[in-house]
Amino acid sequence: DAKTTQPNSMESNEEEPVHLPCNHSTISGTDYIHWYRQLPSQGPEYVIHGLTSNVNNRMASLAIAEDRKSSTLILHRATLRDAAVYYCIRILGGGGGADGLTFGKGTHLIIQP
Amino acid sequence: DTGVSQNPRHKITKRGQNVTFRCDPISEHNRLYWYRQTLGQGPEFLTYFQNEAQLEKSRLLSDRFSAERPKGSFSTLEIQRTEQGDSAMYLCASSFGTVEAFFGQGTRLTVV
Repeated sequence: DAKTTQPNSMESNEEEPVHLPCNHSTISGTDYIHWYRQLPSQGPEYVIHGLTSNVNNRMASLAIAEDRKSSTLILHRATLRDAAVYYCIRILGGGGGADGLTFGKGTHLIIQP
Repeated sequence: DTGVSQNPRHKITKRGQNVTFRCDPISEHNRLYWYRQTLGQGPEFLTYFQNEAQLEKSRLLSDRFSAERPKGSFSTLEIQRTEQGDSAMYLCASSFGTVEAFFGQGTRLTVV
């Protein structure tokens, strides 16, 4: 049980921003939200993670709702290389084991040139 | 350090044979995970080590599967008496704590 809900697929145009939503309504206070992506024929790749505050890094931004029941991964300017499956993962505060890094089916992001 | 390394990258085996995969994690990463992934699905957790201790095993890991991590360094995943349903990509990941896990390229197993 991945404990998160994501749309199966989304489509966007190259060089436009992309907002990938994730619902995690059963999240508890110490759970982190992690995002990974998986390019074709590759292992998953870490993108970003957060707890309560919005987070930015070189790859993306993570906006976490005030009640923490949902979050949005933001790719500010999508490129064709961002076409991948994006996984939103809820990691228990202690981490590790089956409760850590439990993947769902993710969102298949399609980028149109 | 070149990241998590998995060998072999591809393995074709006959049903009933045993296979063993190896994962070399990033140095000093204390956590090591094994996952299995089939086409169109997200990775499924198999087992997890913290240092040399195997702390958790998924119910997906039948008694034909065994994993080791001697000395808390590299890990091996062995599948005995392979079945066609074992055909999948086997992924290894390592991390230091819970922040960011690094995945290898995977070993693709085909059982014929």
